[in-house]
Amino acid sequence: AQSVTQLGSHVSVSEGALVLLRCNYSSSVPPYLFWYVQYPNQGLQLLLKYTTGATLVKGINGFEAEFKKSETSFHLTKPSAHMSDAAEYFCAVSPMIYNQGGKLIFGQGTELSVKP
Amino acid sequence: GAVVSQHPSWVICKSGTSVKIECRSLDFQATTMFWYRQFPKQSLMLMATSNEGSKATYEQGVEKDKFLINHASLTLSTLTVTSAHPEDSSFYICSAREDLRNEKLFFGSGTQLSVL
Repeated sequence: AQSVTQLGSHVSVSEGALVLLRCNYSSSVPPYLFWYVQYPNQGLQLLLKYTTGATLVKGINGFEAEFKKSETSFHLTKPSAHMSDAAEYFCAVSPMIYNQGGKLIFGQGTELSVKP
Repeated sequence: GAVVSQHPSWVICKSGTSVKIECRSLDFQATTMFWYRQFPKQSLMLMATSNEGSKATYEQGVEKDKFLINHASLTLSTLTVTSAHPEDSSFYICSAREDLRNEKLFFGSGTQLSVL
């Protein structure tokens, strides 16, 4: 079984400040890990994903995340927040099993607010 | 990039009526499509997995007779909410997978269903 926990349903940062969105997962099999962003009234857009290989993953819009197996974490960071980063962010896990891809288990979501 | 088109973007219906939501992959063939629902301020919950030409696989707790899924072609999957009730009001999102790996997974923009 797999599950995802996002710490903090709402995070507020000032423009230019560091963004840190926390995600912890549990999985009985090696996981694929994802971060998605959802803007109001829109579908989800993939920010970045970890499958195999390098544990530090860089995504779009300056975001990156690091897979830490020992901590079962996949926290999302961005060095400097921009007003356009305000959105809902979802962490998701999927089993690294052939033909099971796409069955994403999502976290509760974290709403990011950016103050001028 | 690949696009998934979902229609309608919103629908209001009377209790007891049925509503059909379409999910189309516009520039790729989707071997598998997924249907999620999202309640306000909550995460996305997987409802069912739809494979072209076969019966959908429903997640535990999802009524298959209530939520009819048809995946008749490699570019179209439909979700029909039958005899809708106010508790079915939710945001429904589809996603499509281009191949058997989960790297290529694309989301529709969602459908907001309001049942009066």
